[in-house]
Amino acid sequence: GDSVTQMEGPVTLSEEACLTINCTYTATGYPSLFWYVQYPGEGLQLLLKATKADDKGSNKGFEATYRKETTSFHLEKGSVQVSDSAVYFCALSRGSSNTGKLIFGQGTTLQVKP
Amino acid sequence: GAGVSQSPSNKVTEKGKDVELRCDPISGHTALYWYRQSLGQGLEFLIYFQGNSAPDKSGLPSDRFSAERTGGSVSTLTIQRTQQEDSAVYLCASSFRDTEAFFGQGTRLTVV
Repeated sequence: GDSVTQMEGPVTLSEEACLTINCTYTATGYPSLFWYVQYPGEGLQLLLKATKADDKGSNKGFEATYRKETTSFHLEKGSVQVSDSAVYFCALSRGSSNTGKLIFGQGTTLQVKP
Repeated sequence: GAGVSQSPSNKVTEKGKDVELRCDPISGHTALYWYRQSLGQGLEFLIYFQGNSAPDKSGLPSDRFSAERTGGSVSTLTIQRTQQEDSAVYLCASSFRDTEAFFGQGTRLTVV
C-alpha cells in the first residue's frame, strides 16, 4: 500500500542554520504531496504542497520539490528561526482529488535554538 | 467560528465505556475527515465524508468505531467499549470539495 517515510527526529539546529527534512514515498499512480506543520499547542496546518512531478511548493521560506524519479519530497529552508520549532509531517494523497484523505509520515520534530 | 471546532478537548474514560467525540467543520465545507494521532501509529486516516456520498470508512480500525455526519455539517465519532489502545488524539478536518483540508485542534482521549 501507499506509505510515507520521514527522517526521524528530533532535529536540533541553531538559528540561521540550513534545514533539510527527508521524505520519501511509495504510491501507485500520481499522488499529490504535502508538508504539514504542527506548532506547539496548535492544530495541523498545511505548509506547502505539490501536485505533479517537478512542481515546487513554497511557503514561509520553506521549499520542497516533487521528485518522481527518486520518489522524494524533501523539505528545505535556508535559514531557520526559533519560531520554526514544530513537528513537520510529510503526506500524500491519491491524485488531485480527496486532498484531505492523507497518508502521513511519522513526523519530524524540529527544535531551533537561539 | 472561523475554524474547525472539536469537543471536548480532553476526555478521560474508563475501559469498556462508550465515548462520543464531536466535530464542527468550517461552514460551507463539503468534506469532513477524521484522523487518529497516537505515539505508536502516527497519524492515521479513519473516515471521510463528502457531501451526500457514502462515507469512506476504510480507515476505521474495528467495528467498535463509527461516525456519522448529520445534515452535512456536524460529525460525531463514536467509540464503543473503549480499550486502552484507543487512547490517542482524534483530529477532525474539513475542506471545500478537494481543496486544502483544515484541521481542528483535536480531542485527547485517555482510556484508563
